[in-house]
Amino acid sequence: EDQVTQSPEALRLQEGESSSLNCSYTVSGLRGLFWYRQDPGKGPEFLFTLYSAGEEKEKERLKATLTKKESFLHITAPKPEDSATYLCAVQWEWGGSEKLVFGKGTKLTVNP
Amino acid sequence: NAGVTQTPKFQVLKTGQSMTLQCAQDMNHEYMSWYRQDPGMGLRLIHYSVGAGITDQGEVPNGYNVSRSTTEDFPLRLLSAAPSQTSVYFCASSPRDLNQPQHFGDGTRLSIL
Repeated sequence: EDQVTQSPEALRLQEGESSSLNCSYTVSGLRGLFWYRQDPGKGPEFLFTLYSAGEEKEKERLKATLTKKESFLHITAPKPEDSATYLCAVQWEWGGSEKLVFGKGTKLTVNP
Repeated sequence: NAGVTQTPKFQVLKTGQSMTLQCAQDMNHEYMSWYRQDPGMGLRLIHYSVGAGITDQGEVPNGYNVSRSTTEDFPLRLLSAAPSQTSVYFCASSPRDLNQPQHFGDGTRLSIL
């Protein structure tokens, strides 16, 4: 069983069509949940960190929220330049050491 | 602002060859790590370092070696390349530990024939 699951795998939107990406996790003792954006041929670029349930962060058209077992990345009125793969990563403590696992990502395409 | 610099950007190797992937950061970050990214899989941690002289294994360390002699540099060595090591390799750094956002390089695309 994957510890971090992102859905959907791929999402196509029309410009201006709002939607949400999901990141669910099964680990206990969450220390942090991270969202990254990755453009083709590039390394992931940091977007947000969420540390506790109920926390929200916003940046331009993006808003990240966190519950006890999942996080959502809401995209409001997206533009073609928002097209990218969005990755989430979950950090937790296990056996006295820190663990960090990435999800497989959601590939977002925004058509003009 | 250079950030995290990886070299080379592309490399083709033959099975059994060895090589070193270079990673340098200019942000004075203590924590550095290496990941591999394969189609249909998330980024997987190979090795990491919490400071100069200190390294540890991640999720998929077999076939790879690392060392950290300076704060700035964290090279990844493939001892005897295998086709299963064909992947895109990313180096990342963060100021202190995993609890802080990581800064990634743009990757090295490695093909092993």
